[in-house]
Amino acid sequence: QKEVEQNSGPLSVPEGAIASLNCTYSDRGSQSFFWYRQYSGKSPELIMSIYSNGDKEDGRFTAQLNKASQYVSLLIRDSQPSDSATYLCAVVMIKAAGNKLTFGGGTRVLVKP
Amino acid sequence: GAGVSQSPSNKVTEKGKDVELRCDPISGHTALYWYRQSLGQGLEFLIYFQGNSAPDKSGLPSDRFSAERTGGSVSTLTIQRTQQEDSAVYLCASSLARGQMWETQYFGPGTRLLVL
Repeated sequence: QKEVEQNSGPLSVPEGAIASLNCTYSDRGSQSFFWYRQYSGKSPELIMSIYSNGDKEDGRFTAQLNKASQYVSLLIRDSQPSDSATYLCAVVMIKAAGNKLTFGGGTRVLVKP
Repeated sequence: GAGVSQSPSNKVTEKGKDVELRCDPISGHTALYWYRQSLGQGLEFLIYFQGNSAPDKSGLPSDRFSAERTGGSVSTLTIQRTQQEDSAVYLCASSLARGQMWETQYFGPGTRLLVL
C-alpha cells in the first residue's frame, strides 16, 4: 500500500462544474495535509493546507479532512480551464528519523470549456 | 524575498559523466528536500535535510546519488556515472518545518537533466 494514494485521472469536468479530488493516507498519526497544484512543465505550488477535521474554504477551493477515515479531499467549485493541472496531495508522515512530507502521485484534472 | 533557486536550469550530459545540481533555499528555512520527477510521473522523494540532524537518505535510488548541505543553507545533489534513466526534473524545496505543524513547502524551478 502506498503511503499517500490518489487516483491518477484524468478527471474531466465541464467548465463551471465542481471537481472533486480524493486522497487517502496510511499513517494514522499524520496531522498536516496539503494540496499542491502543478501545471505541465512547472513546479508544484501550494493551494491549500488543512490540519483539523472538517472543511476549510479558500476562494473556489475547499479542502476536507477526515482523520478517522484517513481521507482528505479537495473540491474546486466553478471549475475554469485554467484549473487544468495535476493536483498533488501531500501528508506529513511521522517517521522515526523525523517527520517527512510525502506526496501522492497526483490527479490530473482537465476542465473543458 | 527571494524564493528557492536552482542551477543549472537545464543540463545535458553524456552517459557516465558526473553532474552536480545546486539548490539555494529560502533564507532561514531549516528543512530542505530533493525530489525527482520523471516525465508524467509524481514526485519521488530523494533526500531530506532538517537543521543539523543527519539527513534522511532513504529515497536515494543508488549509491551513485549523494547530497550535502553546507552551513545549513545551500545544497548540492551529485549524481555519479550518470545513466539514461537518471533523466528527469530534479526539484528542490524548503520549508520552516516547525514541529508537527508544517509551514508551506516552497519549490524551486527545478533542473531538467538529460543524459544522452
